[in-house]
Amino acid sequence: DTGVSQNPRHKITKRGQNVTFRCDPISEHNRLYWYRQTLGQGPEFLTYFQNEAQLEKSRLLSDRFSAERPKGSFSTLEIQRTEQGDSAMYLCASSPGTGFQETQYFGPGTRLLVL
Amino acid sequence: QKEVEQDPGPLSVPEGAIVSLNCTYSNSAFQYFMWYRQYSRKGPELLMYTYSSGNKEDGRFTAQVDKSSKYISLFIRDSQPSDSATYLCAIRAGGTSYGKLTFGQGTILTVHP
Repeated sequence: DTGVSQNPRHKITKRGQNVTFRCDPISEHNRLYWYRQTLGQGPEFLTYFQNEAQLEKSRLLSDRFSAERPKGSFSTLEIQRTEQGDSAMYLCASSPGTGFQETQYFGPGTRLLVL
Repeated sequence: QKEVEQDPGPLSVPEGAIVSLNCTYSNSAFQYFMWYRQYSRKGPELLMYTYSSGNKEDGRFTAQVDKSSKYISLFIRDSQPSDSATYLCAIRAGGTSYGKLTFGQGTILTVHP
């Protein structure tokens, strides 16, 4: 049974560099979410997709951030010109898109450190 | 003011104790209530899901929702060292059964033998 997978698990980069993270949802889950979690805080919503359509974006998602989900399968989150404030755990979650009580299943996260 | 407030603790209890974790929220539009458990350096995992006022029990865990007071609780009976983790309340607005979750800050729980 494969859950949500995220790669890389850890990323260290220098300020100003671009980084890209990948999320592979549970097979046949048509909704995919991105959250950001800083130390000592709960996850904060960034954006979500239904299939390949990006349906909602948080105001936290500045124009340096872009997310895609081509073909409605895996998703990528890119951060351009990284800043130290971008250091956080980036979490991906997926849900089946059916049923009355939707459950979001989270991946292990990508921990980003911007030096 | 945050939409969801949760006491970050930390909370330390002896094995076997009853643990009470709480969150308050401000938005009446919130209709779906969840509790997630997060172990260190892992993603959150769902423990309980409720959508109405009242109690829901699952093994040693009981989730309680009071919509009139905008207050939710998670009780853990006979706590075990393996329950040591961060507990996050998560809430979603009504209207649809899917969409973004708004999380509390998380409460760090340690159960010592």
